[in-house]
Amino acid sequence: QLQLQESGPGLVKPAETLSLTCTVPGGSMTSSSYYWGWIRQAPGKGLEWIGSIYYSGSAYYSPSLKSRVTISIDTSKNQFSLKLRSVTAADTAVYFCARGLRQGYQLLWLRDWGQGTLVTVSS
Amino acid sequence: DIVLTHSPDSLAVSLGERATLNCKSSQSLLYSATKKNHLAWYQQKPGQPPKLLIYWASTRASGVPDRFSGSGSVTDFTLTISSLQAEDVAVYYCHQYYTSPWTFGQGTKVEIK
Repeated sequence: QLQLQESGPGLVKPAETLSLTCTVPGGSMTSSSYYWGWIRQAPGKGLEWIGSIYYSGSAYYSPSLKSRVTISIDTSKNQFSLKLRSVTAADTAVYFCARGLRQGYQLLWLRDWGQGTLVTVSS
Repeated sequence: DIVLTHSPDSLAVSLGERATLNCKSSQSLLYSATKKNHLAWYQQKPGQPPKLLIYWASTRASGVPDRFSGSGSVTDFTLTISSLQAEDVAVYYCHQYYTSPWTFGQGTKVEIK
């Protein structure tokens, strides 16, 4: 099982930008068999998909977050990143990065997950 | 967006007994071209990330004990734990990957009675 690792500040001030990076061991980032995603979980709540990206850089975002989110990928560093702008307390959550399976144009289940990182939005 | 609704919200089952968890989709998850249901189940224990259990609604992921089984089609799906073990205490989520935005159910919490 692939061990993805999230990194970034654990505390972000309101109205600022949340920035996280996911590091992927090995060389699978350029494989067409996978896609890469971000999911979050507010304290005591369920899972919310934020967005996904291919190795080519094509990205898909949740409509509810699309205006504030950018996901990017740097295959040379084996990393992909999340930026969430203009954060509020409602963005406080554990943020997970994950690897999903891809078949053709279809993005399938999320197979491998990072441990998650708690990001708190507070002044 | 496709809404996934779990029932029940929580479930207490005796050790060794069967646990049945349901997930209902607001739209069909059956892809007509392949006749496959685009639904997965995950298990999440406290302080841990979700773990993939089932995909294509009924295919067990590698290393998942065979006491876990998935069934159902179109809009109604079930995860069954045939003989509950102490290590199965967790929240279980269904997830649709039929269409964007990908969505998850609110989860069913499984406890020991």
